[in-house]
Amino acid sequence: NAGVTQTPKFRVLKTGQSMTLLCAQDMNHEYMYWYRQDPGMGLRLIHYSVGEGTTAKGEVPDGYNVSRLKKQNFLLGLESAAPSQTSVYFCASTRQGYNEQFFGPGTRLTVL
Amino acid sequence: GESVGLHLPTLSVQEGDNSIINCAYSNSASDYFIWYKQESGKGPQFIIDIRSNMDKRQGQRVTVLLNKTVKHLSLQIAATQPGDSAVYFCAEKISGGSYIPTFGRGTSLIVHP
Repeated sequence: NAGVTQTPKFRVLKTGQSMTLLCAQDMNHEYMYWYRQDPGMGLRLIHYSVGEGTTAKGEVPDGYNVSRLKKQNFLLGLESAAPSQTSVYFCASTRQGYNEQFFGPGTRLTVL
Repeated sequence: GESVGLHLPTLSVQEGDNSIINCAYSNSASDYFIWYKQESGKGPQFIIDIRSNMDKRQGQRVTVLLNKTVKHLSLQIAATQPGDSAVYFCAEKISGGSYIPTFGRGTSLIVHP
């Protein structure tokens, strides 16, 4: 099993550009999450999904959109990137009823 | 504000010592408490969890203690090794509902050889 994979690993954007981060998991997990992690901070939840076709807002959803058209994929979109969105983004998945979240390796995004 | 926090942002220990990482929480309704380890440049990795009806749980070289009276959680690492150097996060979760854990800021553990 590859576990949770994220693409791309690194990206540099200019202010106003758009991009999509892809998260894929091969563990048949029901729940998927997108977090951002800033220096000295913990993980802050952006959006999450409890199943295919469903999404919900987390703690810091503004400026982001998500979609979960397939159970194994969870996409995070930035429509108009801002420097405040410079961060490391982590995707995670969990099997329903379990506590352990499996995290991807992260995407380091810089917005100039 | 955050319902999960850490007392010490950085902990330095010598190889072979025991390490204790502390965590405070404020939500008395939390059912589970979870510890994660994050090595530099990697995603967090699950270490151990404990249910609120327990006060101690042991894993391989790790022990988690829960004191609900003072809403305190600790992770003890025995015979700390250089490979234990990482940031450690505690998280709390309420079972049922939306299965969203709340993470603390993290403690950086530095192990000196």
